Amino acid sequence: DTEVTQTPKHLVMGMTNKKSLKCEQHMGHRAMYWYKQKAKKPPELMFVYSYEKLSINESVPSRFSPECPNSSLLNLHLHALQPEDSALYLCASSQSGVGQGEKLFFGSGTQLSVL
Amino acid sequence: AQTVTQSQPEMSVQEAETVTLSCTYDTSESNYYLFWYKQPPSRQMILVIRQEAYKQQNATENRFSVNFQKAAKSFSLKISDSQLGDTAMYFCAFMKPYQRQGAQKLVFGQGTRLTINP
Repeated sequence: DTEVTQTPKHLVMGMTNKKSLKCEQHMGHRAMYWYKQKAKKPPELMFVYSYEKLSINESVPSRFSPECPNSSLLNLHLHALQPEDSALYLCASSQSGVGQGEKLFFGSGTQLSVL
Repeated sequence: AQTVTQSQPEMSVQEAETVTLSCTYDTSESNYYLFWYKQPPSRQMILVIRQEAYKQQNATENRFSVNFQKAAKSFSLKISDSQLGDTAMYFCAFMKPYQRQGAQKLVFGQGTRLTINP
């Protein structure tokens, strides 16, 4: 199984809503990532978890709150988002996150629209 | 900071032709890693090929190969015998090795939209 599964595939939310994005992998990977991709732009790194600990936060606003309950699961909790946060949110995983050019495996993303 | 530049926003070729996508990067590191990812309409980012900077030999994966010129900081992707399924956005990406755990970061170029025509 080389899949990274993201749910939901599409999400529409209001600015006062609270929602969560979910990402799951069963490849035994110990590093997981959240990327944000605006239309016609490359992905931009948001967060990295390695061995269930947050190792990189790319100065992301606090209205985005990541969580890694175990090595297979990664959540992104959303609260009080702005319309400019509308984007494709991609989850990825890699073997350990040790930093030796590991291959990242990506999910198909959640397309988020904030009204 | 590392930067990755893809100078071809869009390309279009006929099926079965060979096409080359360009990528240049800027870094002061001597050791690093380079990748090509494709993003088809399904939106999933799929790894195409990976190159380690300290290896002289160019990486190949079936119909995909790279021309890695370290001195020129160039990393082009060649697709041979192109197929309709190769239609996608292609991103060149750079990663430098970090010393601490969990610090891997991919820096992407702006992408090249490749269309394979029947």
